[in-house]
Amino acid sequence: QKEVEQDPGPLSVPEGAIVSLNCTYSNSAFQYFMWYRQYSRKGPELLMYTYSSGNKEDGRFTAQVDKSSKYISLFIRDSQPSDSATYLCAVTLTQGGSEKLVFGKGTKLTVNP
Amino acid sequence: EPEVTQTPSHQVTQMGQEVILRCVPISNHLYFYWYRQILGQKVEFLVSFYNNEISEKSEIFDDQFSVERPDGSNFTLKIRSTKLEDSAMYFCASSEWDSDLYTFGSGTRLTVV
Repeated sequence: QKEVEQDPGPLSVPEGAIVSLNCTYSNSAFQYFMWYRQYSRKGPELLMYTYSSGNKEDGRFTAQVDKSSKYISLFIRDSQPSDSATYLCAVTLTQGGSEKLVFGKGTKLTVNP
Repeated sequence: EPEVTQTPSHQVTQMGQEVILRCVPISNHLYFYWYRQILGQKVEFLVSFYNNEISEKSEIFDDQFSVERPDGSNFTLKIRSTKLEDSAMYFCASSEWDSDLYTFGSGTRLTVV
């Protein structure tokens, strides 16, 4: 069973649209839930993280976690062309006293002007 | 803003050759990581490193791989005898403590021919 599943898209929206990106995960032991943004030829950049069920807002971005259904979402309001990137969901797993990130495959988003 | 620096940005090597990928983590960070991303695939954990020793390694990180912090600033990943399937983007990351708030470098694209 795959640990983190993410619809790879691609997703293309007009500027100003609300974007919804989603992931599911399989292991209840995952502790932190994150969204990374990755521009072409760059490393992942942390956007948001949370550890509890519910919503967390940061400007135009809202991260949502539902632990009961093992579902992670990222909403982008008033999307801009500069939001065009690949968005990766990730969860953390602690094993043997050390943490590691487990990533989804990423959703490629294009926001058209 | 502090950043993780990786060199080279792109390396082409012949199958069977040794390669060393270099990283300069953020100066006050204590935890170091290598991840890789095969084209079209997920970002995968390779190894974590703390206090001059490996904290955890994945199944991918076999005897062909090694890591070192030779001089207190650089953090290197060595692949002893490269295979075609080692072709990937390799990302170095560091964190101040054993937390989830990694900073990733821009990656080294390794091409094995």
